[in-house]
Parts: sequence; structure tokens; C-alpha cells
Amino acid sequence: EDQVTQSPEALRLQEGESSSLNCSYTVSGLRGLFWYRQDPGKGPEFLFTLYSAGEEKEKERLKATLTKKESFLHITAPKPEDSATYLCAVQAGGGGNKLTFGTGTQLKVEL
Amino acid sequence: GAGVSQSPSNKVTEKGKDVELRCDPISGHTALYWYRQRLGQGLEFLIYFQGNSAPDKSGLPSDRFSAERTGESVSTLTIQRTQQEDSAVYLCASSLDHIAQYFGPGTRLTVL
Repeated sequence: EDQVTQSPEALRLQEGESSSLNCSYTVSGLRGLFWYRQDPGKGPEFLFTLYSAGEEKEKERLKATLTKKESFLHITAPKPEDSATYLCAVQAGGGGNKLTFGTGTQLKVEL
Repeated sequence: GAGVSQSPSNKVTEKGKDVELRCDPISGHTALYWYRQRLGQGLEFLIYFQGNSAPDKSGLPSDRFSAERTGESVSTLTIQRTQQEDSAVYLCASSLDHIAQYFGPGTRLTVL
């Protein structure tokens, strides 16, 4: 069974204080690993897809990396508007197109 | 362009009643997904439609849950004889390929 574990559950940062969120996964044949951002009361917003170990993708202050067992979402010099819940999900090669999600990391960035 | 839309945004119902939730995917997206998000839990896959292929219903939790899709457009998720444990946010997503699924705002269902 595919599993995704995210840590920490919650993270509080000061503005400008860089940090990383972790996503550990077990999946039978990874087709893709996805990062989403979810604001309260809204649906998840797509950020990145990573396909193979060693791959990296960047968007503004966010950078996602992937190894064979985990992915990191690095947040550089965060701002209060980066506050949200960040979700990680995997898509298995033999599991159709469904995503298996972790429970997310709730990030709060304070002034 | 327009994103995925869902209606209603909120639904309060009494235990035992049937409910219908609607999803309008992004125009041209051939794949459509339903997920459920319970408080404090990760999104759970429910069902997946791809073009004219038979849907993947492997995530439906019981036979009280069903979904339909008309061609490559609107989908409805129906929950019969609702129970309190069905209370959750129901999210719909659509995709053009396997790269990214784009989510709607969700329907918050409360079963009293």
C-alpha cells in the first residue's frame, strides 16, 4: 500500500527564516511526486511535480527536491503570504492516476 | 481561464437523506477525480473518470456512494442515506494529462 508521511505537522517561522518540509514515501513504482499548497477553505493549488531522484524544481521562494525515499520542500526567506498547509502526494505507476496524499505541514510565517 | 467549479459550496443535511454534489471540470480536461478530506486527515481518493473508459471506483467507501460523468464535462457525486461519518470536504479535480490535477474549492458537507 502506498504511504506518504509529512513532517513536521506544524511549523512556525519568522519572516526571512528559511526551513525545509519533509515528505517520506513508500510506493510501488513512483510515477510522480506532487506538492500542493492549500489555504483555509480552499482547494489544493498545484505547485510542482517531480518524477525521478535528483530532480529539482523551483518557484519563487520554493524549491522541491526528490530522492528515492523522500522529498523536501525548501522555503527560502519566507514571507507571511507563504503561510498555508503544504501537501505532498504520490502517484504510483501501477495504481491508475489517483494521488495518495500525506496529511500536510501547516506553515505559519510571522512578521 | 475558468478553473474547476463545485456546487454547492456548503451543504447541511440530516442523517439518512441523499445528497448530490456537482463538479464542473476545466474545459478540455479528459480526466476527473473525486477526493474526500476529513478534518485532520489527508485527502482520500474516491473515484476517477478518464474519457469513455470505465471509471476507477476503487476508493468509494461503500455502496452508498456513486458518481456519474456526462462525456468529458460535468460530474455528480451522490451519497445515499448519509451518515455522520460522511461529513467532510469533497474535492473535485481535473487534469489534461498525468502531470497535474487541478482542484476545485470543494463542497463542505455536514451531516447532522
